[in-house]
Amino acid sequence: AQTVTQSQPEMSVQEAETVTLSCTYDTSESDYYLFWYKQPPSRQMILVIRQEAYKQQNATENRFSVNFQKAAKSFSLKISDSQLGDAAMYFCAYISGTSYGKLTFGQGTILTVHP
Amino acid sequence: GAVVSQHPSRVICKSGTSVKIECRSLDFQATTMFWYRQFPKQSLMLMATSNEGSKATYEQGVEKDKFLINHASLTLSTLTVTSAHPEDSSFYICSARAPEMAGNTEAFFGQGTRLTVV
Repeated sequence: AQTVTQSQPEMSVQEAETVTLSCTYDTSESDYYLFWYKQPPSRQMILVIRQEAYKQQNATENRFSVNFQKAAKSFSLKISDSQLGDAAMYFCAYISGTSYGKLTFGQGTILTVHP
Repeated sequence: GAVVSQHPSRVICKSGTSVKIECRSLDFQATTMFWYRQFPKQSLMLMATSNEGSKATYEQGVEKDKFLINHASLTLSTLTVTSAHPEDSSFYICSARAPEMAGNTEAFFGQGTRLTVV
């Protein structure tokens, strides 16, 4: 079974600074996808970024980028120029290429942004 | 596109009663939906996979008779918490997969339902 581990229960960052959230995963599959989701106080799940395992290039979405290390099974999220609105709980998640939308989530990291 | 609507957003029920939560895909057909449970400041735990026209697949440890799932159409899945007790109080979130969109990788989430059993 696949597992996703986020070892940082809480992180904090100053506004305009950069922060990196860590995630590791374990799988024996070759076809899979990795995600970072943001859950603000409203608790609506918001997709931040997606990475296909077969792609070597790290995904980037504006201020959000990932460092995907496939051999090490590591998938960290970097948030640049942090904004107050980035404060939320962040979840790393995994989907098998054959599991049709079934997500396995990490424990989550609560990110606080200080003005 | 790809909107999932979950209703109600909040519900309070008395202990021993049943409550139904609806998850609708508004602009696409969802053959598969998922139900998650989330406790405060914790992760989402998958409860069951809801398949249109067939029985739901429950995760280990989830009581099938307490959490009844019905997926009678391609746009609606319901979760009924039967004989609710205070320990069932939690945040329930549904998600749907749209097979015709972005391969198998997209999961679209409802807004969630905060259930309080008193």
